[in-house]
Amino acid sequence: DAGVTQSPTHLIKTRGQQVTLRCSPKSGHDTVSWYQQALGQGPQFIFQYYEEEERQRGNFPDGFSGHQFPNYSSELNVNALLLGDSALYLCASSLLGAGETQYFGPGTRLLVL
Amino acid sequence: AQSVTQLDSQVPVFEEAPVELRCNYSSSVSVYLFWYVQYPNQGLQLLLKYLSGSTLVKGINGFEAEFNKSQTSFHLRKPSVHISDTAEYFCAVSVVGGYKYIFGTGTRLKVLA
Repeated sequence: DAGVTQSPTHLIKTRGQQVTLRCSPKSGHDTVSWYQQALGQGPQFIFQYYEEEERQRGNFPDGFSGHQFPNYSSELNVNALLLGDSALYLCASSLLGAGETQYFGPGTRLLVL
Repeated sequence: AQSVTQLDSQVPVFEEAPVELRCNYSSSVSVYLFWYVQYPNQGLQLLLKYLSGSTLVKGINGFEAEFNKSQTSFHLRKPSVHISDTAEYFCAVSVVGGYKYIFGTGTRLKVLA
């Protein structure tokens, strides 16, 4: 049973560029959440998707957007990258429901130069 | 709003010694509590969670945690650590009925030979 997978594993971009990160959830899961983990910090919640709609959003600017596809996979898009967007981006999948365990992927490490 | 405080950024401990990693939270509503471990260059793996019921929760790899509502704490313990336990440990909360996780800043456990 494949767990949560993310692509790419590493990415280097320059300021002002746009980036798309991808996530495939654990088999059987219908909910995908995205987190940003800056160096030396805990993960910060970006948003969560269920049934192709954004259900909840953290304190991130509108330049962070996402999408969920009918097969439950998801994308995170960041427009006009800033140096401060350099971080590990983690995708987590779960079943819908409060208290359901979120299973995390290995992350995409984004470096903005 | 909820918050999580992990009081120790780093905890060195000798192999086969006991360890306690501290976690305190703040919330005006009921919460679920989680401990995750992150090994270098990997995503987060769930160690244990508290949803309701018994306040002593047992997890994987010999870890356990105790929920103390009056102290608003959820400390993680292991009676005898191994070199392989060296990793970053994150405490997280989720509001009952909510979906996002709020993470602490993490505690780096270093097990010494």
